[in-house]
Amino acid sequence: QVQLQESGPGLVKPSQTLSLTCSVSGESITYGTYYWSWIRQLPGKGLEWIGYINNNGRSDYNPSLESRVTISLDMSKNQFSLKLKTVTAADTAVYYCARDPSDEWETDGDVFDIWGHGTMIAVS
Amino acid sequence: QSVLTQPPSVSAAPGQKVTISCSGGSSNIGNNFVSWYRLLPGTAPKLLIYDNTKRPSGIPDRFSGSKSATSATLDITGLQTGDEADYYCGTWDTSLRAGVFGGGTKLTVL
Repeated sequence: QVQLQESGPGLVKPSQTLSLTCSVSGESITYGTYYWSWIRQLPGKGLEWIGYINNNGRSDYNPSLESRVTISLDMSKNQFSLKLKTVTAADTAVYYCARDPSDEWETDGDVFDIWGHGTMIAVS
Repeated sequence: QSVLTQPPSVSAAPGQKVTISCSGGSSNIGNNFVSWYRLLPGTAPKLLIYDNTKRPSGIPDRFSGSKSATSATLDITGLQTGDEADYYCGTWDTSLRAGVFGGGTKLTVL
C-alpha cells in the first residue's frame, strides 16, 4: 500500500529556509493524477493547507503563504518537497505530507486520503 | 482562527452516539464537498468521510457524514474507547482559493 514519510531538520533558525521532503513508497509518484500536498498543524490550533503539486508540475499554494512557499517534485527519488522561506516562530508546527486523489476519484471535493505521520518543526 | 467552526470538545459514553458539527459559509461548505479526518498524535491522520457522506474503503459504517446548507456533521455511533482522538472537517474555500479546515474537536469516550 502507498505510504508517505516526512523528513526534515526538526529545528530551524528564524529567517532561514525550512526544507522538508516527503518520500512516497508503494507506488510511483508519476502514477495517476494525484495532488501531492503539504498541510501543517499549528500548536493549539487547527490544520492549515499549504499547497500541492501534481505530476504534471502544476502547483498551487495557500495565498497566505504563497510568497514564501515552493513545492517541487523529484520523480527520480519518488519524493516531493516543501521549501518555506524566511521562517518565524509562527511557522512552528507539525508538518504533514498528504495525497489528494480528487481527480482519480472524480470528486469535486478537496480530500486527502493518505497522510504521513507528520514531523515537528520548531523555529527558534 | 479557523475558517470552519467546530466545537472544541465533545464526549459520550461507550456504545453511545456523538455528533460533531462543522459550520462555515457559502464560499466553503455551502458550495463544496466536506471531508472528515481523525488525528491522533504520532500517527498518520485518517480520512473518515469525503464528498459529505462517502466512506473510504475500510471505514466502518459507525461513521457517517451529512451536510445541510453551510454546515456539516460527523456522526459516530457505537462509541469505543479507541475512538478518542481529534476530529477535523475540511473543504475548499472558493473565495480564499485555499483548502480550509476546522479547529478540531477532541472526542472523549467517558
